[in-house]
Amino acid sequence: GQQLNQSPQSMFIQEGEDVSMNCTSSSIFNTWLWYKQDPGEGPVLLIALYKAGELTSNGRLTAQFGITRKDSFLNISASIPSDVGIYFCAGHPGDSNYQLIWGAGTKLIIKP
Amino acid sequence: SQTIHQWPATLVQPVGSPLSLECTVEGTSNPNLYWYRQAAGRGLQLLFYSVGIGQISSEVPQNLSASRPQDRQFILSSKKLLLSDSGFYLCAWSPLAGNTGELFFGEGSRLTVL
Repeated sequence: GQQLNQSPQSMFIQEGEDVSMNCTSSSIFNTWLWYKQDPGEGPVLLIALYKAGELTSNGRLTAQFGITRKDSFLNISASIPSDVGIYFCAGHPGDSNYQLIWGAGTKLIIKP
Repeated sequence: SQTIHQWPATLVQPVGSPLSLECTVEGTSNPNLYWYRQAAGRGLQLLFYSVGIGQISSEVPQNLSASRPQDRQFILSSKKLLLSDSGFYLCAWSPLAGNTGELFFGEGSRLTVL
């Protein structure tokens, strides 16, 4: 089925580094969402964006809803060990559509 | 506050055996309910969603079925498991009103079919 283009697929980071990941789509969305999944657990919603151009922060996380409504990015500043996990973007077409369109995920790994 | 719980957490089943995974939500009424599957190292695939008791929509043809016998209970079943049914199964809920795509997931159930 339809899938968002999420990149990078994985990232090896040093503690304290800033992180950036993004998602693009050929379709427009009414909502962009970012989730984080820790190993063996369900994803947790980090940030939801509802309007084109919207920039929203949640602690060290910042996400933006692209002006064309076809892309979104997530930045993490000053990464810490508990940031490791898989980050998923998801787009919602809106209205009565119950199907979220998901990215394949970005795996964040801390370099030893 | 709302909570979602699914069980069992892990399951090892032989090919051809039946399956039943259960999910319950507390602290909310009339939620939308979802079953997702996640293959190892992959994204999430929507299997079923439900907007009310007895109302089930299937997103992909498969060996699985879902039922919603009560408002806050969602069950994933199979009569005969296949090897390809192995994966991490996630139940989720969202508020009925204002369908914006915000989902709240359970802890997941890891199924291994041998």
